[in-house]
Amino acid sequence: DIQVTQSPSSLSASVGDRVTITCRASEGIANYLAWFQQKPGKAPKSLIYDVSSLQSGVPSRFSGSGSGTDFTLTISSLQPEDFATYYCQQHNSYPLTFGGGTKVEIK
Amino acid sequence: EVQLVESGGGLVQPGGSLRLSCAASGFTFSDYFMDWVRQAPGKGLQWVGRIRNKANSYTTEYAASVKGRFSISRDDSKNSLYLQMNSLKTEDTAVYYCARRPIGSRNLDYWGQGTLVTVSS
Repeated sequence: DIQVTQSPSSLSASVGDRVTITCRASEGIANYLAWFQQKPGKAPKSLIYDVSSLQSGVPSRFSGSGSGTDFTLTISSLQPEDFATYYCQQHNSYPLTFGGGTKVEIK
Repeated sequence: EVQLVESGGGLVQPGGSLRLSCAASGFTFSDYFMDWVRQAPGKGLQWVGRIRNKANSYTTEYAASVKGRFSISRDDSKNSLYLQMNSLKTEDTAVYYCARRPIGSRNLDYWGQGTLVTVSS
């Protein structure tokens, strides 16, 4: 199975900050990496797929980059509604696997 | 509007069985692959399995932890997805989400609100 490691597991940031979350796969996954946002008690929401494609309706302050095994989610200017937990997921091969999550908290 | 609504969760004893349902609306359900993903209390997301569409012979994939115990099926005439869970273990306790995978994409773009399954004596 492909292991997906996210870092950091949590971070504190202020409104307006630039935030970066990284995801590393245990082997190459081409460009098949997605990012999801989850708020407490809610279902995950798709943000980005295929490394850098923005899901319809997602603000442009979210962006994704990377290739091979190393990937990044960037929030260019953190907004109050962005405080949540973020997960990456590889969808290159079965079983699909998720990173452990990054909780973004208010500083 | 795309909607996925799970139901069927509840309390079940270890070794028992439960069948979850996911009712879909707002899109052509029969065209899509459909997945189940679960989340244990306070934990991260874990993919459970997938069922493909008719054009792909309704084939399925499962996580190793549920293979042989869980079975995914669908009824396109009812726009419904199912997860039959047998031989349940305490570690299967989780919120179970259904999610759809669009044609031509590998992303899970819409998710239901989830249904809680608690396995406990």
